[in-house]
Amino acid sequence: KQEVTQIPAALSVPEGENLVLNCSFTDSAIYNLQWFRQDPGKGLTSLLLIQSSQREQTSGRLNASLDKSSGRSTLYIAASQPGDSATYLCAVEKPNTGGFKTIFGAGTRLFVKA
Amino acid sequence: EPEVTQTPSHQVTQMGQEVILRCVPISNHLYFYWYRQILGQKVEFLVSFYNNEISEKSEIFDDQFSVERPDGSNFTLKIRSTKLEDSAMYFCASTKQGAHTGYTFGSGTRLTVV
Repeated sequence: KQEVTQIPAALSVPEGENLVLNCSFTDSAIYNLQWFRQDPGKGLTSLLLIQSSQREQTSGRLNASLDKSSGRSTLYIAASQPGDSATYLCAVEKPNTGGFKTIFGAGTRLFVKA
Repeated sequence: EPEVTQTPSHQVTQMGQEVILRCVPISNHLYFYWYRQILGQKVEFLVSFYNNEISEKSEIFDDQFSVERPDGSNFTLKIRSTKLEDSAMYFCASTKQGAHTGYTFGSGTRLTVV
């Protein structure tokens, strides 16, 4: 059974700091991994999508890496800003009977202090 | 930027009542999904829908749940007889050609069963 774990559960950093959020998954047979941002009481905003054949993706100050064989992904946020405060979720898409299934982690709650 | 639209944003219903949650996916997307997030818990997959039929469903998606695409734009989730434990945020999502192309999520409907 695929399990997705995110560490740390919560993180508080001063503005300007570079930080790394971690995601691990137990079954390396995945199609892709996606990082999302969720603001309190809101929906999910897709940040980065990494296909299983890729090693990393970058968008602005965000960089996500994927090591499928070890079941790990990291989201690197450079020069953090108060506006980055949110919950960050990773999700893996895996084969399932009849097609595929997406499994989410519990998220890392990030607070960036001004 | 195209959006997935969900209505209502918040619905309160009495236990045992039927509710219909509505979604308008992105117009050129072919795959549609419902996810839910109970307060403080992980986002959970409910069902995926393609070509006017369910392509995948989770253990949560029992006989109380149904989905429909009644016309060319709407995608609905019906809960036949709501229970207290159905209280959650329900998210609709769509993808162009499957989850490997990346999800676009709506902002969610908060369902409160009293």
